[in-house]
Amino acid sequence: DADVTQTPRNRITKTGKRIMLECSQTKGHDRMYWYRQDPGLGLRLIYYSFDVKDINKGEISDGYSVSRQAQAKFSLSLESAIPNQTALYFCATSDRTSGTYNEQFFGPGTRLTVL
Amino acid sequence: AQSVTQLDSQVPVFEEAPVELRCNYSSSVSVYLFWYVQYPNQGLQLLLKYLSGSTLVKGINGFEAEFNKSQTSFHLRKPSVHISDTAEYFCAVRGNNAGNMLTFGGGTRLMVKP
Repeated sequence: DADVTQTPRNRITKTGKRIMLECSQTKGHDRMYWYRQDPGLGLRLIYYSFDVKDINKGEISDGYSVSRQAQAKFSLSLESAIPNQTALYFCATSDRTSGTYNEQFFGPGTRLTVL
Repeated sequence: AQSVTQLDSQVPVFEEAPVELRCNYSSSVSVYLFWYVQYPNQGLQLLLKYLSGSTLVKGINGFEAEFNKSQTSFHLRKPSVHISDTAEYFCAVRGNNAGNMLTFGGGTRLMVKP
């Protein structure tokens, strides 16, 4: 079974719609992250959370919000989707015991298309 | 702030040939460096990492990388590639920013041809 799961895996939506992407993990890690991947740009950090009460903006947080419902769950919302949010979105986790090195474990990704 | 540059967006190579994927970084502090691989329709998985010690790091699937502090590089190599190595490869650096976040390069698509 996958340690980091993301739902849905694929989503097509229209401009202006609200979308939620969900991430769950069974690794017992305290830290969770959301990235978006665009061709040629690599992965860019949207939000990260070090525990349920600690949520921080990343490099490109505008237009996104997150919710850490539990240690194992971290959701990403697009309040009003726009076409340039079309991308591949990844959730990742890490463990504070490896925090110095920040080795991260990734989910399979969600491909979002905004028409 | 740190940054990572992957010098080649695509690298075509024939099966059983050697390959080098180039990565340069900039950082004002000590760094930890990583290579991740993304197979088609999958998430990223760690290939290898440099934390300290020997500058030659060995990873999974026969890959290795060499940390060169003077050239600020962390190039990935494999002496003989297989079709199954076709994937996208990302170099990343852990910087000294708040939360010690990873900064990723733009990725290099390795295309192994028969």
